[in-house]
Amino acid sequence: GAVVSQHPSRVICKSGTSVKIECRSLDFQATTMFWYRQFPKQSLMLMATSNEGSKATYEQGVEKDKFLINHASLTLSTLTVTSAHPEDSSFYICSAKYMPGTGAWHEQYFGPGTRLTVT
Amino acid sequence: AQSVSQHNHHVILSEAASLELGCNYSYGGTVNLFWYVQYPGQHLQLLLKYFSGDPLVKGIKGFEAEFIKSKFSFNLRKPSVQWSDTAEYFCAVTTLTGGGNKLTFGTGTQLKVEL
Repeated sequence: GAVVSQHPSRVICKSGTSVKIECRSLDFQATTMFWYRQFPKQSLMLMATSNEGSKATYEQGVEKDKFLINHASLTLSTLTVTSAHPEDSSFYICSAKYMPGTGAWHEQYFGPGTRLTVT
Repeated sequence: AQSVSQHNHHVILSEAASLELGCNYSYGGTVNLFWYVQYPGQHLQLLLKYFSGDPLVKGIKGFEAEFIKSKFSFNLRKPSVQWSDTAEYFCAVTTLTGGGNKLTFGTGTQLKVEL
């Protein structure tokens, strides 16, 4: 099946610094990738939809200036948490849509997640 | 906006026991329904999905789910669980808005199967 990787798997950063998380589709091209956030014992919450070559679409309540998303190629999307604070500590998961196009549903393949801890 | 409820947060079963995990959604229109599984230390994987047609759908590893429209439910079942089914299970839904690709997840059910 299609494989999605994330790097790093864990990161600890100091408050006020920025951290970048990469999401790669290893064996397929993904015009659309999604970024989720998961709090302990809670569900995955969609943060934004990342489309290759265009601006990301953010969900209501997600600060686009804080969570910068770049989808510069068909196999890579990055999420940068800027000026991180302890409340940004969370588990960030990306997924990549296997087939391009809109309207029809195409399976999303999920990355293993990145555990961010802000001290 | 749609929402998904999973009422069982933790379930503990013995091997060979039958499993049923509840999932209810709230949305008045057409939905697509999914069950995902996350084994310890691994990423989310699709177990099964329902789009249309036969409301009883079969997935991988012997799992099945039944869509009951009148109850807004999509419960997951397995007649005989194995120790290897220990994992977290997420119900999810998409609607036709947003291109049908925006997944809304339930809070998950942690299943532990004991030998």
